Amino acid sequence: GQQLNQSPQSMFIQEGEDVSMNCTSSSIFNTWLWYKQDPGEGPVLLIALYKAGELTSNGRLTAQFGITRKDSFLNISASIPSDVGIYFCAGQLRVGNEKLTFGTGTRLTIIP
Amino acid sequence: DSGVTQTPKHLITATGQRVTLRCSPRSGDLSVYWYQQSLDQGLQFLIQYYNGEERAKGNILERFSAQQFPDLHSELNLSSLELGDSALYFCASSRNRGGGYGYTFGSGTRLTVV
Repeated sequence: GQQLNQSPQSMFIQEGEDVSMNCTSSSIFNTWLWYKQDPGEGPVLLIALYKAGELTSNGRLTAQFGITRKDSFLNISASIPSDVGIYFCAGQLRVGNEKLTFGTGTRLTIIP
Repeated sequence: DSGVTQTPKHLITATGQRVTLRCSPRSGDLSVYWYQQSLDQGLQFLIQYYNGEERAKGNILERFSAQQFPDLHSELNLSSLELGDSALYFCASSRNRGGGYGYTFGSGTRLTVV
């Protein structure tokens, strides 16, 4: 099935650094979502985006819905240890009743 | 607590056996989705049910089957288990048929096949 390409696959950063990751698709998406998965837990929704160009923040997290509708970006500012985990993007091709397609994930590790 | 309940949390079984994983969706949600996550892998979509009916199928093996009951809980049945079936199995739910407002995930069932 279709998958979204996330990059980078993994990141090793120091506490306090900013983080950027992105998600791209060959198809136009009408909804973009970002999830975080802690080890051994289910993914939790962080941010939802519904309009091209939309920029939405949730605390230190900021996500953007790309103008082309084929990409989305997630930034984390001033990373802290609890930011460790796997970040997934997800998209919906058509508004309404189309199921979500998930990205391949970006694993974030914070080096002490 | 996300509101999506999965049982059991852990399951250890032998090859060739059959197991049933159970999921109760969040109150009011009509769609249930099943995902498989192997070690260091992404979320592989298996199957979706909406209000009791199968709505979408992903990379689900013929040895696997699922159903959604009238009370909206869902069960994923895995049979003739192989070592490679060891994984985390997640259930998620959403209010509508598509999930444009996001899915709510359960905390998963970790299946170990020995």
